[in-house]
Amino acid sequence: EAGVTQSPTHLIKTRGQQATLRCSPISGHTSVYWYQQALGLGLQFLLWYDEGEERNRGNFPPRFSGRQFPNYSSELNVNALELEDSALYLCASSSAGPSYEQYFGPGTRLTVT
Amino acid sequence: QKEVEQDPGPLSVPEGAIVSLNCTYSNSAFQYFMWYRQYSRKGPELLMYTYSSGNKEDGRFTAQVDKSSKYISLFIRDSQPSDSATYLCAMSNRDSSYKLIFGSGTRLLVRP
Repeated sequence: EAGVTQSPTHLIKTRGQQATLRCSPISGHTSVYWYQQALGLGLQFLLWYDEGEERNRGNFPPRFSGRQFPNYSSELNVNALELEDSALYLCASSSAGPSYEQYFGPGTRLTVT
Repeated sequence: QKEVEQDPGPLSVPEGAIVSLNCTYSNSAFQYFMWYRQYSRKGPELLMYTYSSGNKEDGRFTAQVDKSSKYISLFIRDSQPSDSATYLCAMSNRDSSYKLIFGSGTRLLVRP
């Protein structure tokens, strides 16, 4: 069974630009969660999508947004990039709806220069 | 004070040793407890998932939860060099809308 996949692996952007990160959940999983892992800050919850709707959001500004598509894949958009947005962005999915048992992908490393 | 505290290590042990990794937490509402393993530059891998108090065993791994002390542990028996990684604890409660709160991770090095 294929795991959670994320693209791209690496992304380099300039301050002020926009970044788009993509995630495909494990087949059969319908909930997708996004986390940010920044150096020195650990893993922090960003967003949760289920059945195409945003269900929960962490303490991040509105320039972090996303969506979930009918096939349950998801996209994270970060607008007006700041240097502090440089981090590993991790996507997780859970089976048969929302769950605390979340399985992570390999992440997208975003570097903002 | 952070909601979840975890010693960053590094913890260095010889191959074959029993490893004990721990987390403490402050929110008594936490009911769901997870342990993840993360290799360098990879995503976290779910190792153990437990609900409420008690023990759970899976192969060489045992997870323990002591809610009265707000303390969770992961034991690794017969540790191998391939166990060298960062171990993250995570927890949540019913009202959290499935948001996991992570510890900062403990780096483990198993020496051959």
